Amino acid sequence: GNSVTQMEGPVTLSEEAFLTINCTYTATGYPSLFWYVQYPGEGLQLLLKATKADDKGSNKGFEATYRKETTSFHLEKGSVQVSDSAVYFCALITYGQNFVFGPGTRLSVLP
Amino acid sequence: GAVVSQHPSWVICKSGTSVKIECRSLDFQATTMFWYRQFPKQSLMLMATSNEGSKATYEQGVEKDKFLINHASLTLSTLTVTSAHPEDSSFYICSARDSSREAVQPQHFGDGTRLSIL
Repeated sequence: GNSVTQMEGPVTLSEEAFLTINCTYTATGYPSLFWYVQYPGEGLQLLLKATKADDKGSNKGFEATYRKETTSFHLEKGSVQVSDSAVYFCALITYGQNFVFGPGTRLSVLP
Repeated sequence: GAVVSQHPSWVICKSGTSVKIECRSLDFQATTMFWYRQFPKQSLMLMATSNEGSKATYEQGVEKDKFLINHASLTLSTLTVTSAHPEDSSFYICSARDSSREAVQPQHFGDGTRLSIL
């Protein structure tokens, strides 16, 4: 079956530091890949997505590239802000299947 | 963009009462909606898939008599936690997928309902 693995958190960074959150997956077929963000006490918001190999999703300074050869979709941001503190979920879906979420990575950005 | 409204956002009630949570897609139709449960510092656990006009599909280990799901229209699904007990306290999140778009699309999530049973 499909699965998503994320790096263990929590991740604590200083403001303006570089962020990488690793995500790897296993899937049958050709998955679409997503990053969702959950701020404290809220639901999930779509951050970015990529639907085919080598696609790069980007939003709000975050980027992730769909790497089929390494089955990865790592999230990056060049300079994090305190307001980026949240839990980040990597997810995938294949046609006809339900969403599969990773365990989430908690990010804390300190001023 | 697509918006999913979930209500209420916070419920505190006594043990033994039933609680209904609504999930509405505001600007799109959703033949399928999903109900998740999230424990503190954990990922989302899919409870059931709600299908408009038919019975919900429950994940293994989820009590269908405990968590009643009704999807009476293309824009509304409800989750009723019957005879709630403290162990049912959790964060419940619904999501919906735009039915009009055939390609694989992201799910749109509600803001969640924090349920606390005393």
